Amino acid sequence: RKEVEQDPGPFNVPEGATVAFNCTYSNSASQSFFWYRQDCRKEPKLLMSVYSSGNEDGRFTAQLNRASQYISLLIRDSKLSDSATYLCGNQFYFGTGTSLTVIP
Amino acid sequence: DTAVSQTPKYLVTQMGNDKSIKCEQNLGHDTMYWYKQDSKKFLKIMFSYNNKELIINETVPNRFSPKSPDKAHLNLHINSLELGDSAVYFCASSQGRGYEQYFGPGTRLTVT
Repeated sequence: RKEVEQDPGPFNVPEGATVAFNCTYSNSASQSFFWYRQDCRKEPKLLMSVYSSGNEDGRFTAQLNRASQYISLLIRDSKLSDSATYLCGNQFYFGTGTSLTVIP
Repeated sequence: DTAVSQTPKYLVTQMGNDKSIKCEQNLGHDTMYWYKQDSKKFLKIMFSYNNKELIINETVPNRFSPKSPDKAHLNLHINSLELGDSAVYFCASSQGRGYEQYFGPGTRLTVT
């Protein structure tokens, strides 16, 4: 079983929509989790860290549920510029990434 | 100022050759990583070093050998390259274990 599992999508949403991504993890000892954004042919870049129950940064909210071993990312009021692949991971392992396309 | 740099950015070579990819970080981080991202975009960890000591060595063929001469550098040497080695290789660093990672721009390796 993979350390981190993620729905690859793709997610195609209209501008202004709210979209949520989920990841599950298998190692209950994992302490820290992260969401990264990766644009086409670029390196992953940190979007949010999730060390405790959750974190919010503008339109983005990340939550951690240790009991169910999943982390989520909520994007509100989607912008065209949010189109990218979103990767979740712990300190070493990543999910397969979720592709998001925001449609005008 | 480039935080994590990799050279070369592109590498095209023939099967059977030996090649190296270099990585340097100027963030003062203790932990460095090598990842392989294949055509399906899955980012798979290969190695991780903490203060020059190997802490993660995933099921990677022993043709791949990492070397960390100091905390700021983590190089990857690949012997006897195979077609299946074609991928993008990302170097990353973090302040320590459990902290967020900063990635280099990637090295796109094509084996023909």
